Amino acid sequence: SYVLTQPPSVSAAPGQTARITCGGNNIESRGVHWYQQKPGQAPVLVVYDDSDRPSGIPERFSGSNSGNTATLTISRVEAGDEADYHCQVWAGSSDPVIFGGGTKLTVL
Amino acid sequence: QFQLVQSGPELKKPGASVKVSCKASGYSFTNYAIHWVRQAPGQRLEWMGWINAGNGHTKFSQKFQDRVTITTDTYASTAYMELSSLTTEDTAVYFCARDEAIFGVGRYFAPWGQGTLVTVSS
Repeated sequence: SYVLTQPPSVSAAPGQTARITCGGNNIESRGVHWYQQKPGQAPVLVVYDDSDRPSGIPERFSGSNSGNTATLTISRVEAGDEADYHCQVWAGSSDPVIFGGGTKLTVL
Repeated sequence: QFQLVQSGPELKKPGASVKVSCKASGYSFTNYAIHWVRQAPGQRLEWMGWINAGNGHTKFSQKFQDRVTITTDTYASTAYMELSSLTTEDTAVYFCARDEAIFGVGRYFAPWGQGTLVTVSS
């Protein structure tokens, strides 16, 4: 089955840029969605279809997808961005919905 | 605003079943599919299955297909997920989420319900 690999943790100082990766075999052929999850809360969509932003999500959140790696980039990191971030794709297999292991963003 | 509101926390004994509800509001319930996703402590999000709220078609993860049932009450705009033969490994927060695809599946999930904690303990 298809596997998505994320780093367990990423850190960034306020005002800096955080990049969270999501690795998968030829992931560029799939649309990647990203969710933000704060402690005790449900996931919230922050980027869909690799690089599109839902309404209400700041422009500081952006995404890209190339080769075997998709990346969520958070510019000008704020304390409120501290959360777990999960990537998700459709794999088209018997278990079609795949999530990455999640990355904890720590704002220093 | 689209919203999914789930039922409250559950405490179950091993071997029992649990049924979690997910009430939708703010959109046409039968136009979208509802997915169920769980998150065990310290684990990744895990997809369990979906139901097309328009025609009742379901698909389940191989891991859960023998003991999960997903249904809807279209008049109440509510989806249900029932998991049977519970073990302590089923202790998790269970989420419902709407698939953004109209009359199908295959898009992103938004919105999500607030989550329901199911604790399995003897």
